[in-house]
Amino acid sequence: KAGVTQTPRYLIKTRGQQVTLSCSPISGHRSVSWYQQTPGQGLQFLFEYFSETQRNKGNFPGRFSGRQFSNSRSEMNVSTLELGDSALYLCASSWGPRGSGNTIYFGEGSWLTVV
Amino acid sequence: AQTVTQSQPEMSVQEAETVTLSCTYDTSESDYYLFWYKQPPSRQMILVIRQEAYKQQNATENRFSVNFQKAAKSFSLKISDSQLGDAAMYFCAYRSAGTSGSRLTFGEGTQLTVNP
Repeated sequence: KAGVTQTPRYLIKTRGQQVTLSCSPISGHRSVSWYQQTPGQGLQFLFEYFSETQRNKGNFPGRFSGRQFSNSRSEMNVSTLELGDSALYLCASSWGPRGSGNTIYFGEGSWLTVV
Repeated sequence: AQTVTQSQPEMSVQEAETVTLSCTYDTSESDYYLFWYKQPPSRQMILVIRQEAYKQQNATENRFSVNFQKAAKSFSLKISDSQLGDAAMYFCAYRSAGTSGSRLTFGEGTQLTVNP
């Protein structure tokens, strides 16, 4: 069974540009979450999608958005990039029903550098 | 809001020895899950062990075990017979069993070094 797949793995963008990151969850998983990891702020929750609906949202500005498709694949978008958006973006998937406590699996991440 | 605290930014252990990583958390909920994740240099988060709050028995997975003290809100990870491959960043994480879906709250992490 394939794991959580994130693309692209590495990318460099210029301030002011926008970026789209993609995540394919494990087959059968309906929940996809996104996290930002930086040396200064650690791991911070961005948002979670379940069955194409945003179920949770972290404390990030509106420049950060996401969506989930009917096949559970998810994309996150960051508009008007700032230098501080440079980070490792991790995607995680799980089967997902509330309270199920099922295991959450992570992808290898997308490294974003903003210059 | 829940918080997770790992007070040891760095730890080191000799190969084949035992090491314990500390984690405390704060929550007003009674039902939740706790996890330890390992993040090697590849940066992929790998689940090490999980604990359901309603279970009194401490979870174990081979060389990894936890000491879960619900009243004290403490969740430490013990690694026995440490191996070079155990060297990584370790994160303690909290997940509500209620309405917050699959959201994880992470601690700051503990960088574990294993010396040969």
